[in-house]
Amino acid sequence: EPEVTQTPSHQVTQMGQEVILRCVPISNHLYFYWYRQILGQKVEFLVSFYNNEISEKSEIFDDQFSVERPDGSNFTLKIRSTKLEDSAMYFCASRPGPGDGNQPQHFGDGTRLSIL
Amino acid sequence: GQNIDQPTEMTATEGAIVQINCTYQTSGFNGLFWYQQHAGEAPTFLSYNVLDGLEEKGRFSSFLSRSKGYSYLLLKELQMKDSASYLCAVRRGGGNKLTFGTGTQLKVEL
Repeated sequence: EPEVTQTPSHQVTQMGQEVILRCVPISNHLYFYWYRQILGQKVEFLVSFYNNEISEKSEIFDDQFSVERPDGSNFTLKIRSTKLEDSAMYFCASRPGPGDGNQPQHFGDGTRLSIL
Repeated sequence: GQNIDQPTEMTATEGAIVQINCTYQTSGFNGLFWYQQHAGEAPTFLSYNVLDGLEEKGRFSSFLSRSKGYSYLLLKELQMKDSASYLCAVRRGGGNKLTFGTGTQLKVEL
């Protein structure tokens, strides 16, 4: 069964440094998402991406965050200047295209980001 | 805004049936999803409801009442591997994002 893959599985970064989290969505999917989950808390939406642009973003997704689809397979999340409170598990998700509203989002295994 | 409520923890016995409830308050409701999440792992899709009624998928069933803002996930013939967090997530309007509840940590005991 096709999977969403994320790398790295664990990233340790000094506060203030830039970090890029990488995702390869399922190949025929057209909607891409980033969520985060702070330890012990709920999964929170960050951003959705469709047709090479951001379709929706949350209050968490401020100017420090950006997303990119640099090629036909990768989808990245960049945090420009990391803060301690950015420490969390970051999940990438994808789902098929329009007209498939009842198709679920499929989640990757996540990247655990630890800011020191 | 949105408000999604689930019990924090539940305990059940192997072989039994357990019902995990979720209540929500949102405008523009456009579907409710249940996901399973084992500790340190990704959420895994279990079921989806957009119309009132029961959806059955093997040992798992999910029910929705839109007028009451209420859903439940029913797990039958519980197995030890069902010990996990169960996440209720609501989709709103034409947007695609999911808003998650805090999850219900289910512990299955012998």
